[in-house]
Amino acid sequence: NAGVMQNPRHLVRRRGQEARLRCSPMKGHSHVYWYRQLPEEGLKFMVYLQKENIIDESGMPKERFSAEFPKEGPSILRIQQVVRGDSAAYFCASSPGSGDIGELFFGEGSRLTVL
Amino acid sequence: KQEVTQIPAALSVPEGENLVLNCSFTDSAIYNLQWFRQDPGKGLTSLLLIQSSQREQTSGRLNASLDKSSGRSTLYIAASQPGDSATYLCAVRTNDYKLSFGAGTTVTVRA
Repeated sequence: NAGVMQNPRHLVRRRGQEARLRCSPMKGHSHVYWYRQLPEEGLKFMVYLQKENIIDESGMPKERFSAEFPKEGPSILRIQQVVRGDSAAYFCASSPGSGDIGELFFGEGSRLTVL
Repeated sequence: KQEVTQIPAALSVPEGENLVLNCSFTDSAIYNLQWFRQDPGKGLTSLLLIQSSQREQTSGRLNASLDKSSGRSTLYIAASQPGDSATYLCAVRTNDYKLSFGAGTTVTVRA
């Protein structure tokens, strides 16, 4: 019974490159959430997606960041033209579905370092 | 906007002592509150979930209480062990789907 799977676990990029982070939700879960943890700060909500739909992206920077959750395959968080301030741990969580207000299950995170 | 505060930011205790971790939140209109554990460089492990209608939840040595009206939750860890050393995060789920996290309490249990 696999949990939330994220990859890569660690990613190093140079300024100006693109970073792609992937998240496969738990089996049977159709809702995905992305959170960012900056050094010495708490986790902050970025975006909430359902299959083929972005429900709320209010926590995501307006430029350079995008997210998708296609009908098939993992959810992708894409950061274009990375800058040093994007260095952080990016966590994905999933939940079963509409109306559920139970636990969120988090992945191990993807740690992005921008040189 | 929901603000979540965790006090203290860090805590060091000798093995065997009971731990008391505090969490406060500003908006009492919540669906639930979840306590997580995070080890260095690792992900979040869910410890306990308390629904807004509940007063407490227990799992093994862990007990979490919730006083929604005063905006407080407390996590108790009985008879602490060195393996309990980690950062403990409190997260509140408000009337939408977002979790608002505290900054965490970093616990060190000395052998």
